[in-house]
Amino acid sequence: GAVVSQHPSWVICKSGTSVKIECRSLDFQATTMFWYRQFPKQSLMLMATSNEGSKATYEQGVEKDKFLINHASLTLSTLTVTSAHPEDSSFYICSARDLSQGAYEQYFGPGTRLTVT
Amino acid sequence: AQSVAQPEDQVNVAEGNPLTVKCTYSVSGNPYLFWYVQYPNRGLQFLLKYITGDNLVKGSYGFEAEFNKSQTSFHLKKPSALVSDSALYFCAVRANSGNTPLVFGKGTRLSVIA
Repeated sequence: GAVVSQHPSWVICKSGTSVKIECRSLDFQATTMFWYRQFPKQSLMLMATSNEGSKATYEQGVEKDKFLINHASLTLSTLTVTSAHPEDSSFYICSARDLSQGAYEQYFGPGTRLTVT
Repeated sequence: AQSVAQPEDQVNVAEGNPLTVKCTYSVSGNPYLFWYVQYPNRGLQFLLKYITGDNLVKGSYGFEAEFNKSQTSFHLKKPSALVSDSALYFCAVRANSGNTPLVFGKGTRLSVIA
């Protein structure tokens, strides 16, 4: 089956630094990537959608200059949290879709737990 | 706009009893519906989906769900609960046209008591 990996699985960083999270589709082409964040005991909130080779579309309230998304290839998308602050601490989950296989499947990565101190 | 409602924050059930986790949705057009389970500090695990066809969908670990278009519901069920089913369950929906993302409900915590 389709597998999505994320790296790192967890990261601790100091306030003011930047952190990059990688999301890879291992056995399919991720024509579309979605990034979600999940606060403790809450649901997944969509942050942005990106199509390979195009700029990401951000949801209302998500700062595009703070959460930089790159989707330069069909197997890799990255989320960079710039100048991280403690309120950015969260569980970040990427998800990928292969439009060539029908548009209804969406495969999820295992998530990255970010803690900003 | 798409939305999902999971009216119960918590569901408690005794081991061996049937369980139901409720979900209703709102979407323009016809829906694609999904259930996922999440264990602590883990990602999402896919349970089952409704795309088209039979309204009763069977999924992993003995779970099933019934699509009810008139009630816009997609409740998750299992005939006999196990303690190991205790987890956080999410219902998700998207319209069946276009390349729209899944929208999730707030989640329901299931606790199965031995």
